[in-house]
Amino acid sequence: ELKVEQNPLFLSMQEGKNYTIYCNYSTTSDRLYWYRQDPGKSLESLFVLLSNGAVKQEGRLMASLDTKARLSTLHITAAVHDLSATYFCAVASGGGADGLTFGKGTHLIIQP
Amino acid sequence: DSGVTQTPKHLITATGQRVTLRCSPRSGDLSVYWYQQSLDQGLQFLIHYYNGEERAKGNILERFSAQQFPDLHSELNLSSLELGDSALYFCASSSRVDTQYFGPGTRLTVL
Repeated sequence: ELKVEQNPLFLSMQEGKNYTIYCNYSTTSDRLYWYRQDPGKSLESLFVLLSNGAVKQEGRLMASLDTKARLSTLHITAAVHDLSATYFCAVASGGGADGLTFGKGTHLIIQP
Repeated sequence: DSGVTQTPKHLITATGQRVTLRCSPRSGDLSVYWYQQSLDQGLQFLIHYYNGEERAKGNILERFSAQQFPDLHSELNLSSLELGDSALYFCASSSRVDTQYFGPGTRLTVL
C-alpha cells in the first residue's frame, strides 16, 4: 500500500523567512504533485514532478524530487502572508489510473 | 477557476437518504476522479472513470457508486447515508498530460 508522509503537519513562520516542507512516499511512483488548499476551498495545482532530479519554481515556491530517496521538498523563500494555506503532496501510482494518494497536508501560517 | 464544475455546492440530508453529486470535467478531459475529504480520513481517492468506463477503485464504500455519461459528465451516488459520510467531495479531471484539476467540491452534511 502506497503511503505518503508529510512533515511538518503544522508550521508557523514569520514573513521573510525560508522553510522547507518534506514529503516521503513508500513505493516507486510515476509522478509527484504539490497542491495548495485555502480554507473551505478547492485544491490548486502547484507543481507536477515527473522525473528524478526534477526541480520546478514558481515565485517564492520551489519543488524538487529525489525518486531514489522517495522524497520531495517544497521550499518557501522569503515567505509572505499570502502563502498561508495548507499544502498537500500527492503521489500517483498505477500509471495514473489509481488516483492520487495524498499526504495529510502541512498547515502553514505566515505571520507578518 | 479550474474549469471543473460541481453541483450542488452544499447538500444537507438525513441519515438513510440517498444523494447524487454531479461533476462536469474540463473541456476535452476524458478522465474524472472522485475524492472525499474529511477531518479524520484526509483526502481519499474513491473512483476513476475514463471515457465512460471505470478504470480504478480506491476506498469507495459499497453504498457509493459512480458513472460517467457519454457527454463525459460524472455522477457520484451515495446511499444509505451515515453521519460519517459528512465530508467534502471533490471531483478532478485530467487529460493524458497528468495534472488533475479539482472542482470546487460539494459539501455534504448528514444529520
